[in-house]
Amino acid sequence: QVQLVESGGGVVQPGRSLRLSCAASGFTFDNYGMHWVRQAPGKGLEWVAVISYDGSNKYYGDSVKGRFTISRDNSRNTLYLQMNSLRAEDTAVYYCAKENVYSSTWYNTFYFLDYWGQGNLVTVSS
Amino acid sequence: DIQMTQSPSSLSASVGDRVTITCRASQSISTNLNWYQHQPGKAPRLLIYGASTLQSGVPSRFSGSGSGTDFTLTISGLQPEDFASYYCQQSFTTPVVVFTFGPGTRVDFK
Repeated sequence: QVQLVESGGGVVQPGRSLRLSCAASGFTFDNYGMHWVRQAPGKGLEWVAVISYDGSNKYYGDSVKGRFTISRDNSRNTLYLQMNSLRAEDTAVYYCAKENVYSSTWYNTFYFLDYWGQGNLVTVSS
Repeated sequence: DIQMTQSPSSLSASVGDRVTITCRASQSISTNLNWYQHQPGKAPRLLIYGASTLQSGVPSRFSGSGSGTDFTLTISGLQPEDFASYYCQQSFTTPVVVFTFGPGTRVDFK
């Protein structure tokens, strides 16, 4: 069965760095785009970043652009999120998620996140 | 950028109730709309994709409808395990797929 297990979270001071990992199993990792989504305390889900199946394309949400870097190691079936210049507002539970697609016709193609990890808490505080 | 709104932001309901949550996009997104359920301490769960297609394993009491800018998630016969937050999500390709979530609707026990 599909499993996504995040690690690397913890407490970090503002301005410092942290790297999250997401170990994937139960599916062919290098066939799928992967995403990071976060939820700050008391807030809703916020999409953070995406990386294509081969790592060649990446895209970031405005709130993390220029500070966070998404990457993947397909030989290790692992997704990463390097977080630099952390701010208090980056405090959140971070989820990795697997992208999937359904196409019935060329004009009916739907993308969604069908599997998620359990989440990893990152707390930015002095 | 396409903005997503949801209403209500929260609601109180009882077991057995029919619950309807609305999601609106700032411009037409055809049927590129997904719904997720999120319970505290758990991973979010995909309920519906393509506005109306039920994800495998999701109970049939969940249904989705809509196209263009207005969408609805309906829970017909609320169960105890359905008390959670619900999020709509739209996607666009850049060429990678980028998602935007709605602000969420919390369903509480009345």
